[in-house]
Amino acid sequence: DAGVTQSPTHLIKTRGQHVTLRCSPISGHKSVSWYQQVLGQGPQFIFQYYEKEERGRGNFPDRFSARQFPNYSSELNVNALLLGDSALYLCASNTGYDTDTQYFGPGTRLTVL
Amino acid sequence: LAKTTQPISMDSYEGQEVNITCSHNNIATNDYITWYQQFPSQGPRFIIQGYKTKVTNEVASLFIPADRKSSTLSLPRVSLSDTAVYYCLVKGSYIPTFGRGTSLIVHP
Repeated sequence: DAGVTQSPTHLIKTRGQHVTLRCSPISGHKSVSWYQQVLGQGPQFIFQYYEKEERGRGNFPDRFSARQFPNYSSELNVNALLLGDSALYLCASNTGYDTDTQYFGPGTRLTVL
Repeated sequence: LAKTTQPISMDSYEGQEVNITCSHNNIATNDYITWYQQFPSQGPRFIIQGYKTKVTNEVASLFIPADRKSSTLSLPRVSLSDTAVYYCLVKGSYIPTFGRGTSLIVHP
């Protein structure tokens, strides 16, 4: 079985641009969470989606948005990119709403110049 | 939010047992404690999860005292490939909060 997949693997953008990151959860998993991990820090929770609805939101500005599709895949959108948005963006899936046991993808490395 | 505190770094040698302790004083009654392992430029990988007392699987053991304000991840007979960052996670109000983790370096 395939694990959590994310695309693209790496991405370089310039300040002010917009970016869309994609995630496909493990088959059968209905919940997707997004995290931002800055170098040297632990992952910081951005969003959780379950059954296409937002179920949790971390302390991130409105420039960050996400959605979940009927097939449970998800997109994370970031507008008006700042240098500080450079990070590894992680997607995690689990079977239900409970986020206790999460299965992470390899991440998307975003660099903002 | 449930906050976790771990040592920033630890050193060990191949074949030794390593114990990493995490404190989580504000853990809620229904919170589980989950540990993850992360290698550079990869996503965290689930290691073990527990609620109280002791849990053991094929890679680690997790010890949780009765007050549940801390937990200890035990890695038996570590190898060089166990060099990684280890995070304990307590969900807390549906907002999972990772700390900075413990960077474990295993020496030959």
